[in-house]
Amino acid sequence: DSGVTQTPKHLITATGQRVTLRCSPRSGDLSVYWYQQSLDQGLQFLIQYYNGEERAKGNILERFSAQQFPDLHSELNLSSLELGDSALYFCASSVLLNTEAFFGQGTRLTVV
Amino acid sequence: DQQVKQNSPSLSVQEGRISILNCDYTNSMFDYFLWYKKYPAEGPTFLISISSIKDKNEDGRFTVFLNKSAKHLSLHIVPSQPGDSAVYFCAARLNNAGNMLTFGGGTRLMVKP
Repeated sequence: DSGVTQTPKHLITATGQRVTLRCSPRSGDLSVYWYQQSLDQGLQFLIQYYNGEERAKGNILERFSAQQFPDLHSELNLSSLELGDSALYFCASSVLLNTEAFFGQGTRLTVV
Repeated sequence: DQQVKQNSPSLSVQEGRISILNCDYTNSMFDYFLWYKKYPAEGPTFLISISSIKDKNEDGRFTVFLNKSAKHLSLHIVPSQPGDSAVYFCAARLNNAGNMLTFGGGTRLMVKP
């Protein structure tokens, strides 16, 4: 158990819908990251937050957004879902920006 | 454009023998490299890392070698154990890029008893 909690574990939704994935970082970790693992793209960095502020953006679609709340948990919002958004979404956290990142178990999103 | 590549999708090794997992990268600005292990239904777990100023880092049964001129790194596991069976991801990071990692596609290692 990495200490990073992601909910829900599984999510099935229809195209065009909107979902919210939630991440609780390890206690004491200030930085949160989101990664997407799809079958054809592998693990791809989406976005990073540090102490509530966005610090880096990767290959995140405009239909996706995220935020980190004052209690340091983070949410990833995916809207206008397409079949191709089906993937595993991982959250990771670290104490600081350059320290070891610990990954959660992931949320498996299936868009039908 | 895949900046980090693991060209072997799978590798099968006998228990007790050496496992060698390879990774190639194209971006010469990467200055830190990591290996993660992933079991089914779990997130990736950090295994070992190496800075670009080194050419070798060892931690128990795991050793990572970096050849900067060839833009190649490898993970050696000696001796391999059945519990090492997992998917191994190579990842790279730009200087001061925090944990904004670029991952390879992964290699599935199977260690047979």
